[in-house]
Amino acid sequence: DTGVSQNPRHKITKRGQNVTFRCDPISEHNRLYWYRQTLGQGPEFLTYFQNEAQLEKSRLLSDRFSAERPKGSFSTLEIQRTEQGDSAMYLCASSFLDSPLHFGNGTRLTVT
Amino acid sequence: KNEVEQSPQNLTAQEGEFITINCSYSVGISALHWLQQHPGGGIVSLFMLSSGKKKHGRLIATINIQEKHSSLHITASHPRDSAVYICAVISGSARQLTFGSGTQLTVLP
Repeated sequence: DTGVSQNPRHKITKRGQNVTFRCDPISEHNRLYWYRQTLGQGPEFLTYFQNEAQLEKSRLLSDRFSAERPKGSFSTLEIQRTEQGDSAMYLCASSFLDSPLHFGNGTRLTVT
Repeated sequence: KNEVEQSPQNLTAQEGEFITINCSYSVGISALHWLQQHPGGGIVSLFMLSSGKKKHGRLIATINIQEKHSSLHITASHPRDSAVYICAVISGSARQLTFGSGTQLTVLP
């Protein structure tokens, strides 16, 4: 068990570009969550999957954001036409049903 | 008003002091997490509790469901305890967490 892995750790992109982040959860965990954290704030929920099904999406997730978990294992979060306001830490977490969450180290996105 | 409020926002203590961080929430919950976040972003779940009290080493977490309040205590604090401590609640059917804004703890040697 290597924990929840997120890649890349850091991403710098120019406004208007598309970016994609990956999360590999703990292998037996069936729930996977994406959160966004801006400086000095607690994380905000974006979306969550149970197996391959996306069961909940926050209204924070505009149509520029899309998340997938095609085989119920790893997940990707894509942001299209990035804006400076998208700069944040994107955190992934996983759990088995309602067991405690395990978080990844996050992907820090900077949009210039 | 945020659904999850933490206090204090910032806390500086001397090594060895007993520390308390408080969390109040305004919604019905099924469970509450205390999380620790170190610089660089990594988050570790310290406790998940839905009633009573849990203890792990020098850390103690309590929750009072009727008063909608939880506390995290650190006994014999140490500089390595310096981190952001975040309270998060699980409510509703979404199985998602609602986070407080965190408490920045600095323990001085």
